[in-house]
Order: sequence, then structure tokens, then C-alpha cells
Amino acid sequence: AQSVTQLDSQVPVFEEAPVELRCNYSSSVSVYLFWYVQYPNQGLQLLLKYLSGSTLVESINGFEAEFNKSQTSFHLRKPSVHISDTAEYFCAVSDKGVGAQKLVFGQGTRLTINP
Amino acid sequence: DVKVTQSSRYLVKRTGEKVFLECVQDMDHENMFWYRQDPGLGLRLIYFSYDVKMKEKGDIPEGYSVSREKKERFSLILESASTNQTSMYLCASSSLGQTYEQYFGPGTRLTVT
Repeated sequence: AQSVTQLDSQVPVFEEAPVELRCNYSSSVSVYLFWYVQYPNQGLQLLLKYLSGSTLVESINGFEAEFNKSQTSFHLRKPSVHISDTAEYFCAVSDKGVGAQKLVFGQGTRLTINP
Repeated sequence: DVKVTQSSRYLVKRTGEKVFLECVQDMDHENMFWYRQDPGLGLRLIYFSYDVKMKEKGDIPEGYSVSREKKERFSLILESASTNQTSMYLCASSSLGQTYEQYFGPGTRLTVT
């Protein structure tokens, strides 16, 4: 069975500081990996995904994540955060192959940006 | 743009009531999902459906049932609501065989008193 662990439930940072949100997963098979973001009072939306190819993936608003197979990690980073990045971030994993439509989510990390 | 709508943003029900949560998507997606979101637990899958009239249990199906009579609509039913079902309920849809991206509705915050 798959599982996802987000190591920090809350991360407070100052505006323009760098941030890293940690995600580790466990799975006995090859996986797809995702980061979703939930802004206040909204549903989740996809931030970025790793399906295959380059292990470094980027979003349109400056976030990036690197798939590290040996460490079973998919940490999310941004070199300089903005107030508008305040949200809850969820890491998710899906098996490749049959049943691949299902996602298993982590517990979420609440990112708070202080001015 | 894909749109997933949920019938209510906020709902208050009494213990023992039968509760229907409705979800509609407008992108002809094959897959639809119901999750509940609780602080510190993330999202947990209740049920999903990969076709009309087809359904599969997720990780926490106890106390819930679902109905999918039309491709665009997926309903979550609480047969007899209990206080431990107070939660945020999120519906999502995805296209079969694409990039596994799920599109989420805004959620229904259900309070059972």
C-alpha cells in the first residue's frame, strides 16, 4: 500500500525568503507524484506533477519539485515566496499502471507568509 | 476550463438524517471521486467511480454510499448522519488515461449536530 508523509504540518516564513516543503512517500511500485495547493476557501488545484523524464519539475508561479527515487522524496521549493503563496499544500502519489487513477494524499502543510 | 460544482458550500444536519451531497462536472470525465478533508489527516478517499453505475470503495467507505446515474453527476449519501461525519467533503473528477490530474470542486463543509 502507498503512503505519503509530509514532515511539517505548518511552515511560517517571511516574505521573499526561500521555502522547502518536505514530502516522502512509500510504494512498492513505480509512481507518479503531485503537489496540489488549496488557497483559503477554495478546492484543491494542481501545482505541478512528475510523470516521467526530468526529475525536476516546475510550476508557472516559481515553485519546483525534484523527484528523488533513492530517497523516495518529492520536496517542493521556492527561492522567494510572496504573500499570495499563503495556502495549504498537499503532496500526492499514484501508482503507475492499473488503478492509477487513485491518488493518496499526505496530511498537508500550511504555509504562512509573514510580511 | 474544467468546472466541478458541488451543491452546497455549507450544510448543517441533525444526527440520524439522510444527507445527499451532489457533484457535477462539465468536462465529460470518466472518473469521479469523493474525499473528506480533516485537519492533520489530509484528504481521504471515500468512494470513486470510473463509469456510470460503477463504483469502488476507497479507504473510508463506512457510513457512506454513492450513486452515479449520469456521467456528469456523482452523489455522496450519508444514510444516517453522525457527528463524526462532520467534515469538509471534496468532489473531484479526472479523465481516463490522461495525466492523472484531478479537478476539484470548492467543497461542502458539513456539520452534523
